[in-house]
Amino acid sequence: QVQLVESGGGVVQPGRSLRLSCVASGFTFSNYAMHWVRQAPGKGLEWVAIISYDERHKYYPDSVKGRLTISRDTSRNTLYLQMDSLRVEDTAVYYCARDGPWDYSRHPQGTYYFDWWGQGTLVTVSS
Amino acid sequence: EIVLTQSPATLSLSPGERGTLSCRASQTISTYLAWYQQKPGQAPRLLIFDASNRATGIPARFSGSGSGTDFTLTISSLEPEDFAVYYCQHRSSWPPCFGQGTKLEIK
Repeated sequence: QVQLVESGGGVVQPGRSLRLSCVASGFTFSNYAMHWVRQAPGKGLEWVAIISYDERHKYYPDSVKGRLTISRDTSRNTLYLQMDSLRVEDTAVYYCARDGPWDYSRHPQGTYYFDWWGQGTLVTVSS
Repeated sequence: EIVLTQSPATLSLSPGERGTLSCRASQTISTYLAWYQQKPGQAPRLLIFDASNRATGIPARFSGSGSGTDFTLTISSLEPEDFAVYYCQHRSSWPPCFGQGTKLEIK
């Protein structure tokens, strides 16, 4: 059974940094692109980062480019999101999600569909 | 940037009724559209991808249709557990984005 478990959220002051983690199990982690998607309280969903299965490609929307950095450690089956220069508007539940439903053999660049999600971790940016 | 507009914002129906949710794209997106279900306090769940393909484990009462700019998610006979918020999402161009959601509530 696919499982994604996020951690690392909390309360942080504007301008500070935070690193989120997501431990994956139940599938071959190295075969799939992975994403972070966030949801501000009471709001909709916003995609914020993708990393390809082989770590060669990383993409972000303009809203977070230069401040958020996605990475992965295949030996630990873990996905990360380094969040720097945090702003009040970054307050959200952050979900890690697997790119799917196909692995890299059919979509090397990722499908940009999200077929499995973690339970999310809340990041609150406040002074 | 392609914008997805979902309608209605809220849909009030009774269990056993048929639910029809719409998603309209500001530009053509072929069939590069997914639907997700989100219940309170839970992560979203993928229901449909490529406009009409059910994801693994999704009941047959959920179906998707459409292409180009107009898409529909249909729930043939609503079960109590289907009352939730539904989001559409496209992957046709940069960046991928979601609609604002339709809340399906019990009448």
